[in-house]
Amino acid sequence: GAGVSQSPSNKVTEKGKDVELRCDPISGHTALYWYRQSLGQGLEFLIYFQGNSAPDKSGLPSDRFSAERTGGSVSTLTIQRTQQEDSAVYLCASTNPGRGETQYFGPGTRLLVL
Amino acid sequence: AQSVTQPDIHITVSEGASLELRCNYSYGATPYLFWYVQSPGQGLQLLLKYFSGDTLVQGIKGFEAEFKRSQSSFNLRKPSVHWSDAAEYFCAVGSGNTPLVFGKGTRLSVIA
Repeated sequence: GAGVSQSPSNKVTEKGKDVELRCDPISGHTALYWYRQSLGQGLEFLIYFQGNSAPDKSGLPSDRFSAERTGGSVSTLTIQRTQQEDSAVYLCASTNPGRGETQYFGPGTRLLVL
Repeated sequence: AQSVTQPDIHITVSEGASLELRCNYSYGATPYLFWYVQSPGQGLQLLLKYFSGDTLVQGIKGFEAEFKRSQSSFNLRKPSVHWSDAAEYFCAVGSGNTPLVFGKGTRLSVIA
């Protein structure tokens, strides 16, 4: 596609349930980032992929959060046993290192944990 | 520590007036600097970026920003604001293939 896509656009879940958020980066972009945007916290880095490897997971807030990337393309962010404080917009960005280093963002997934 | 400060949480300007949004950063390496805009319910759109060279950079929608190393600043400007510019603006800093560090954003309101 022309840009970064994310699904679902909105997700409402009950506390304690698991959720999966999907990111499709721009074709050919080798680097992929997950960020979280919540009220009062701004935009926080979660995890970075280069290809299928995640050299930087330092932003994941707890072991309930995990992510994987397959085929150097699609990435899935999984939140297990969701808590109300996980409610936020989860943004994905991709870039092609060496081609201007600009990160292009998807529209985000708005997660609400009841 | 790496950080970005946007001192103004909310700014209101009249349509047609000039605009300056402030951004100060703290970064150990040579910074790459970005301004993104976010409209309600939307993702982040890149307005402009600075990597090197000319310290005055031009972006989309008539925006420009000036990198001042001595002041660790990268302020965003627009000579004449349009109602459609109402949005949230984020300044960010990075260095090559690294996660971006964002400021907390400045919300811009435009009044007639």
